[in-house]
Amino acid sequence: ETGVTQTPRHLVMGMTNKKSLKCEQHLGHNAMYWYKQSAKKPLELMFVYNFKEQTENNSVPSRFSPECPNSSHLFLHLHTLQPEDSALYLCASSPYPRGRQYNEQFFGPGTRLTVL
Amino acid sequence: SQQGEEDPQALSIQEGENATMNCSYKTSINNLQWYRQNSGRGLVHLILIRSNEREKHSGRLRVTLDTSKKSSSLLITASRAADTASYFCATDSLSGSARQLTFGSGTQLTVLP
Repeated sequence: ETGVTQTPRHLVMGMTNKKSLKCEQHLGHNAMYWYKQSAKKPLELMFVYNFKEQTENNSVPSRFSPECPNSSHLFLHLHTLQPEDSALYLCASSPYPRGRQYNEQFFGPGTRLTVL
Repeated sequence: SQQGEEDPQALSIQEGENATMNCSYKTSINNLQWYRQNSGRGLVHLILIRSNEREKHSGRLRVTLDTSKKSSSLLITASRAADTASYFCATDSLSGSARQLTFGSGTQLTVLP
């Protein structure tokens, strides 16, 4: 285990539902990330938070809404999703970099999302 | 276009053999990292090599970096069935944020018992 937990592990939802994914890290890190992993595609960075402030939003549709109430918790709120949004959603964290040589990321196990 | 491209996309070997995976990238980097992912799980950091390093070892892993060719290789020696997983390279670009990595599409390694 890497110290990053995600719930739920599996989620099936209809296109009109609203649901939330939760991520929690127990490592004392201050940067947290949401990634989307679809079959046969590279990992897509969605959002980056640094000290609870969103620093990156990589052109993600507004039906995905992140929330970072503190440095240990990260949420991804989902509403009116499309079937093509079905994927593995991964959360990661990284420590305050002691120089750029130490910016490895620690991943949670992911949430497998299926949109019907 | 993505920063890291792994080659081959899939590799199947017998237990005990060595596995070599390659990664090419486009922009100048601070460091390059390799990660492993078991099916349907999160990624696990394996090793980081800095831009001023040429080779690094960790257990059965050997990573090389050639910044002139913008390429890296990951060698797993004496492979085991438990090494079966996807392997990704990730780059920390000089021009990017210190908190962002760009991942490649990965190499799916299958080690047959």
